[in-house]
Amino acid sequence: GAGVSQTPSNKVTEKGKYVELRCDPISGHTALYWYRQSLGQGPEFLIYFQGTGAADDSGLPNDRFFAVRPEGSVSTLKIQRTERGDSAVYLCASSFGSGIRGAGELFFGEGSRLTVL
Amino acid sequence: AQSVTQLGSHVSVSEGALVLLRCNYSSSVPPYLFWYVQYPNQGLQLLLKYTSAATLVKGINGFEAEFKKSETSFHLTKPSAHMSDAAEYFCAVSDGSGGFKTIFGAGTRLFVKA
Repeated sequence: GAGVSQTPSNKVTEKGKYVELRCDPISGHTALYWYRQSLGQGPEFLIYFQGTGAADDSGLPNDRFFAVRPEGSVSTLKIQRTERGDSAVYLCASSFGSGIRGAGELFFGEGSRLTVL
Repeated sequence: AQSVTQLGSHVSVSEGALVLLRCNYSSSVPPYLFWYVQYPNQGLQLLLKYTSAATLVKGINGFEAEFKKSETSFHLTKPSAHMSDAAEYFCAVSDGSGGFKTIFGAGTRLFVKA
């Protein structure tokens, strides 16, 4: 079946602009994760959803960042008033969620590279 | 809170030599542990996982890792490196319930010399 799909693959914007990044998870996966990866670093946890609700948003750096998953499938990461420091690759992953099945294995998309000028 | 420390941001081995990538974790509950690999211009993919069954875990491409609770370690090994193993490797931990947030280490880039 199809993997995790992220759009856009590349986004260049100007400082202060608003940006939306979209993630379409694998069908049937109940858990969805957003990570941010800067050059030379590991994925930094931002938020994860179980179904429609944000189960843990402790990684969101500040109130400019917000994510939604209104129908429990597609998710959108929203960044307001972008800053140059927001430049990174934003990764989305999905999984079967809690329980034995999948045991927490994450399936990643190829990421959305955000560049803030 | 969980955390992961990967010792060595870069490791270089010769083709055919042993690969050893080190990972130490911190977790207040029995953890699930993972190794992911990221090949150039590709997304992260699971290499292997530990979920409280056998402490020696075998993964894809000849890699394996051993969970050592006393040392809080989960080092990744492969007996004989291939050129195709050149990639970035990430160790990760979740809190053992599956589906909860997964925390990644900073990564180790593996170079394989001919």
